[in-house]
Amino acid sequence: KNEVEQSPQNLTAQEGEFITINCSYSVGISALHWLQQHPGGGIVSLFMLSSGKKKHGRLIATINIQEKHSSLHITASHPRDSAVYICAVRNNNNDMRFGAGTRLTVKP
Amino acid sequence: DSGVTQTPKHLITATGQRVTLRCSPRSGDLSVYWYQQSLDQGLQFLIQYYNGEERAKGNILERFSAQQFPDLHSELNLSSLELGDSALYFCASSLITDTQYFGPGTRLTVL
Repeated sequence: KNEVEQSPQNLTAQEGEFITINCSYSVGISALHWLQQHPGGGIVSLFMLSSGKKKHGRLIATINIQEKHSSLHITASHPRDSAVYICAVRNNNNDMRFGAGTRLTVKP
Repeated sequence: DSGVTQTPKHLITATGQRVTLRCSPRSGDLSVYWYQQSLDQGLQFLIQYYNGEERAKGNILERFSAQQFPDLHSELNLSSLELGDSALYFCASSLITDTQYFGPGTRLTVL
């Protein structure tokens, strides 16, 4: 079993829909990251969380440390949100472990 | 543009060879991270340097080594290359261990 599990693996949505991507982890962590990888390969860091909730524009990330679970929400989704979203955790040894990613396609 | 630069963008080489990938962090960032992304393994953390010192080590093979220089740029050396080393290699930087800014990557093809 991977230390970081994401669901779903693939997600197709219509423009305007509310989207949720989930991440569960099994190790102690010091921080959790949400990354976005565009079709061209570039990676952008969306959030770094150690507790609670963060919001940036239409993106919201939450983390529940007790349940070892994080969610990434996208409100009013748009075709330009189409990308692979990757959850990563920094464990207590400063090692980073990655989920397999969720491929999101938003159709106009 | 993240402010992190990586060279070269593409590299094609043969098995058994040695290559060096270079990364320049964002101005002011002290930490540099190296990652490997292959089709079958996904993203994997290789190593982190902070202000010239190794800070954390991940799944880095013994054939691979890295260093961070006094001007804070970093190099990843890959030797005795195998077909399975073909991958995208990303460098990222951060001030300490906070938000990471990723470079555009170096695509390595080993033939």
